[in-house]
Amino acid sequence: SQELEQSPQSLIVQEGKNLTINCTSSKTLYGLYWYKQKYGEGLIFLMMLQKGGEEKSHEKITAKLDEKKQQSSLHITASQPSHAGIYLCGADYRPGAQKLVFGQGTRLTINP
Amino acid sequence: GAVVSQHPSRVICKSGTSVKIECRSLDFQATTMFWYRQFPKQSLMLMATSNEGSKATYEQGVEKDKFLINHASLTLSTLTVTSAHPEDSSFYICSARDPRGLNQPQHFGDGTRLSIL
Repeated sequence: SQELEQSPQSLIVQEGKNLTINCTSSKTLYGLYWYKQKYGEGLIFLMMLQKGGEEKSHEKITAKLDEKKQQSSLHITASQPSHAGIYLCGADYRPGAQKLVFGQGTRLTINP
Repeated sequence: GAVVSQHPSRVICKSGTSVKIECRSLDFQATTMFWYRQFPKQSLMLMATSNEGSKATYEQGVEKDKFLINHASLTLSTLTVTSAHPEDSSFYICSARDPRGLNQPQHFGDGTRLSIL
């Protein structure tokens, strides 16, 4: 089974609507990273969460990490066409870990 | 601006050709870089960890003789797909983490789309 589960795998929303993407780990996280990717392009770093209960926001995107550090959510408010793409969560499981474990990704489509 | 540069962005070549992809860290020295492969509509699959001055560490199921990795300097890692065949066609992407400071994110290159005819 996947170490890092992302849901939903695909999401289609009307422009202006809010949406949430979830990332669940089978074990306690050391750090959780959110990236955005346009298909066929590189990954853009969005946010990193490390502390239980932590929440960070950038423009209309908010990411949270639960107290147990096993689940994170990414929330987009008043979605816009520019938010469309693939969202990936990546996990560190120990301090100093170099490589990330990635979730399966969520493909977000915004309909006008 | 980009902190990890990947080149080329796209390669189209005949079956049997070997293809080299470069990954450079621009603002920092990276003793470790990572190579991923991504199939259409799928997530990133880690292929190998590139270690400066030593052998790369390959993930299970990845053929080391097919995917040669060289990390000759602190800012450059190369991935060579040897004798490429159509099934090697994919999107390859590298990443590196700035070792300065705690909890730095992985920075990714823009990827290389490899098409083998």
